[in-house]
Amino acid sequence: NAGVTQTPKFRILKIGQSMTLQCTQDMNHNYMYWYRQDPGMGLKLIYYSVGAGITDKGEVPNGYNVSRSTTEDFPLRLELAAPSQTSVYFCASILSADSYEQYFGPGTRLTVT
Amino acid sequence: GNSVTQMEGPVTLSEEAFLTINCTYTATGYPSLFWYVQYPGEGLQLLLKATKADDKGSNKGFEATYRKETTSFHLEKGSVQVSDSAVYFCALSGRGGSNYKLTFGKGTLLTVNP
Repeated sequence: NAGVTQTPKFRILKIGQSMTLQCTQDMNHNYMYWYRQDPGMGLKLIYYSVGAGITDKGEVPNGYNVSRSTTEDFPLRLELAAPSQTSVYFCASILSADSYEQYFGPGTRLTVT
Repeated sequence: GNSVTQMEGPVTLSEEAFLTINCTYTATGYPSLFWYVQYPGEGLQLLLKATKADDKGSNKGFEATYRKETTSFHLEKGSVQVSDSAVYFCALSGRGGSNYKLTFGKGTLLTVNP
């Protein structure tokens, strides 16, 4: 099993550009999450999904969009990138609401200049 | 709302020293508590968990006890190794419908020198 995979590993964007961060899990998990990690600030939840076709906002959703057309994939879209979106982005998944362990991908380091 | 406060870092220790990283929380109801570890360049991994008061989670020589009376979940290890160098995150999740959402502390960077 590959677990949770994310692409790309690194990306530099110019202000105003758009991009999609990819996340795929092969564990047939129902719940998926996007977090951002800023230095010294822990992880903040951006969006989450409890199953295909269902998404909801987390703590910091502004400037991002998500979709969940399949169980495996949960892409995060950045429209009109801003310097404040410079961060490390982590995707995670969990089997169900009764499960405890979230499985994390290796992260995408994004710089917006 | 839920919140987690953990010890500010960085923490620098010599190999075989004793480690404590403090973590306290604020939550409604009876949350589950976790410690996650992030090794350099990697995502987070679950280190240990405790799901009810007085439970002790343990893994790889690390321990933490769920103390409801002090709302704490301090991480300890009796003898650290260089390979324990990482960032440690305390986290909690609510019970019931919100059990799947984690609230993280800011993380504590641990460096262990040989």
